[in-house]
Amino acid sequence: QSVLTQPPSVSTAPGQKVTISCSGSSSNIGIHYVSWYQHLPGTAPKLLIYDDNKRPSGIPDRFSGSKSGTSATLGITGLQTGDEADYYCGVWDSSLSAEVFGGGTKLTVL
Amino acid sequence: QVHLVQSGAEVKKSGASVKVSCKASGYTFTAYYIQWVRQAPGQGLEWMGWINTDSGDIKYAQTFRGRVTMTRDTSISTAYMELNRLTSDDTAVYYCARSSPLDYWGQGTLVTVSS
Repeated sequence: QSVLTQPPSVSTAPGQKVTISCSGSSSNIGIHYVSWYQHLPGTAPKLLIYDDNKRPSGIPDRFSGSKSGTSATLGITGLQTGDEADYYCGVWDSSLSAEVFGGGTKLTVL
Repeated sequence: QVHLVQSGAEVKKSGASVKVSCKASGYTFTAYYIQWVRQAPGQGLEWMGWINTDSGDIKYAQTFRGRVTMTRDTSISTAYMELNRLTSDDTAVYYCARSSPLDYWGQGTLVTVSS
């Protein structure tokens, strides 16, 4: 059972938008920056969002991040079939002294 | 550009050890930590620990403490992760990643543990 809670799956149609939630606690999301990763099968995870809402160079502005209290959200607009992947949130947890990840959310673009 | 290239797939027997390497290029190796993350089949990402590539300081996840050793060789910009007393539960893809955040990842190393 993950320290961070994500929905196991979300699905939507091409061109639409989706949000993926990540719920944590005061020892992780509440006080540390959140990152989001995209993971396609057979490839290395890719950093999409860091410091709650910053995008690395090369990541399109269709991807966005936000945080409120002990929850974070990844938003994706203009969905494409190529966005089908597993998405993970990650953050440092001060109580555990460990990096923790959500259980992952499988995005299906129907 | 930044690259992290990991060693190849391994097949090990239960009780054995495995050592995975992660060679960095395209940046100053000692300027960033290296973290290790694994993904077991059908499971999510699991953090294993990090190594300060400059000082050699390490931080291991509680789950792996006593079984994992992370080291580095700055002369060849390479980090290593050794996991001992392998069981079938250790069958997974092991990743190294530059941090923080985890902005560049190695391609992953599949470690298969058989009885």
